[in-house]
Amino acid sequence: GAVVSQHPSWVICKSGTSVKIECRSLDFQATTMFWYRQFPKQSLMLMATSNEGSKATYEQGVEKDKFLINHASLTLSTLTVTSAHPEDSSFYICSASRTAYEQYFGPGTRLTVT
Amino acid sequence: TQLLEQSPQFLSIQEGENLTVYCNSSSVFSSLQWYRQEPGEGPVLLVTVVTGGEVKKLKRLTFQFGDARKDSSLHITAAQPGDTGLYLCAGAGSARQLTFGSGTQLTVLP
Repeated sequence: GAVVSQHPSWVICKSGTSVKIECRSLDFQATTMFWYRQFPKQSLMLMATSNEGSKATYEQGVEKDKFLINHASLTLSTLTVTSAHPEDSSFYICSASRTAYEQYFGPGTRLTVT
Repeated sequence: TQLLEQSPQFLSIQEGENLTVYCNSSSVFSSLQWYRQEPGEGPVLLVTVVTGGEVKKLKRLTFQFGDARKDSSLHITAAQPGDTGLYLCAGAGSARQLTFGSGTQLTVLP
């Protein structure tokens, strides 16, 4: 149990376009999902906390108008990178919270902006 | 702001050796998780420790939560090449958020 999927696993887009990444909890309901960004050989950096049916809470320094998060159901959260630029290229990982203690992570999405 | 310091950052050892990774903070956490991540994949949960002083074993891996719930350690006995990966500790705070340590990149050479 506690499987989280992400789609797509990798995406290449042109500068100025928008990209949507989906995060799904496959076998449990998650009232809270999280979005992280990870640079090569570094730890995870929390971008935002997504609660079902309400607005996401963004970490300091993360532009909410650039990284749009929608958590429309208990099993789906989406992250849209708007007007992407090369500096947005990164590994984006979502997680879903099943209990107060644990988070289960998706396999990640590699975004490359050319 | 809660911070977690993880050490060492990099560790390269021979197969069969033992190792310990440390995770320290000045803050108290309600629980602490250890994850392992391989390149191009998401972190995989190894264990959650909740009670101060708690010790959990997972085959050759032993996890300990400090009495004051501010620190934790991961000990691997007789490391194998399959143990290679990025090990991350993460402390649970408010709003179900996790604070991640900086990670320990472990390489086990055959």
